[in-house]
Amino acid sequence: AQSVTQPDIHITVSEGASLELRCNYSYGATPYLFWYVQSPGQGLQLLLKYFSGDTLVQGIKGFEAEFKRSQSSFNLRKPSVHWSDAAEYFCAVARDSNYQLIWGAGTKLIIKP
Amino acid sequence: ETGVTQSPTHLIKTRGQQVTLRCSSQSGHNTVSWYQQALGQGPQFIFQYYREEENGRGNFPPRFSGLQFPNYSSELNVNALELDDSALYLCASSARTTAGELFFGEGSRLTVL
Repeated sequence: AQSVTQPDIHITVSEGASLELRCNYSYGATPYLFWYVQSPGQGLQLLLKYFSGDTLVQGIKGFEAEFKRSQSSFNLRKPSVHWSDAAEYFCAVARDSNYQLIWGAGTKLIIKP
Repeated sequence: ETGVTQSPTHLIKTRGQQVTLRCSSQSGHNTVSWYQQALGQGPQFIFQYYREEENGRGNFPPRFSGLQFPNYSSELNVNALELDDSALYLCASSARTTAGELFFGEGSRLTVL
C-alpha cells in the first residue's frame, strides 16, 4: 500500500535561511507526487507537483522539489525563507490517475525573526 | 472565479447524531473529493465524486456517504456520529484538465461530544 512519511513534525528556520523539508514515499510504480501548504485560516494550496520528466520541479512562492527514485524521496526546498512561509507543509502521493491523494502527517514550519 | 466554499464552518454534534456538510466546487470543476483531517494529522481520503457518481473510496465505513449534484456541488453525510469523527472535513474540487491540482475549501470543523 502507498504511504508517505514526513520525518520532521516541526522545523524552525531563521528568516532568510535556506529550507529543506523531507518527504519519503512508498509506491510500486512511478508516483504522482505533490507538495501542499496549509496556512491558518486558509485552505490547502498546491505548491508543486511531479508526474514525470525533469526530476527538479519548480513551484509557486519560490519553492522547488527534487524527485529521487533511488531514495524514494521528494524533498521540498527554498533558498531563502520569509516570515510569510510559516505554515504547515504536506507531501502527498496520488494512489491512482484519479488523483486520490495519500498524505503525510505534515511538517510545521516555524520562522525565527 | 469563485473558489471552493464549504458550510458550515463549525458545528458541534453529540454522539449518535447525523451531520450533513456541504461544498460548492470551483466553477468549471466536475470532480469533488472529501478528506478528513484529524488534529495534528494529514488529510485522509474519504471518497471522490465525478459527474455525480462515486469514483473511489478510502477506508471509511458506510456511515460516511456522499452526493454530487448536477451543478457539481456536493454533500458529505455522516450517520451515527462517533467521538473519533471529530475532525476538519475538507472538500476539494478539480478538473480533468488541471491534472492533479486540487482546490480546497477552508473546511468544516466538526466536534462530536
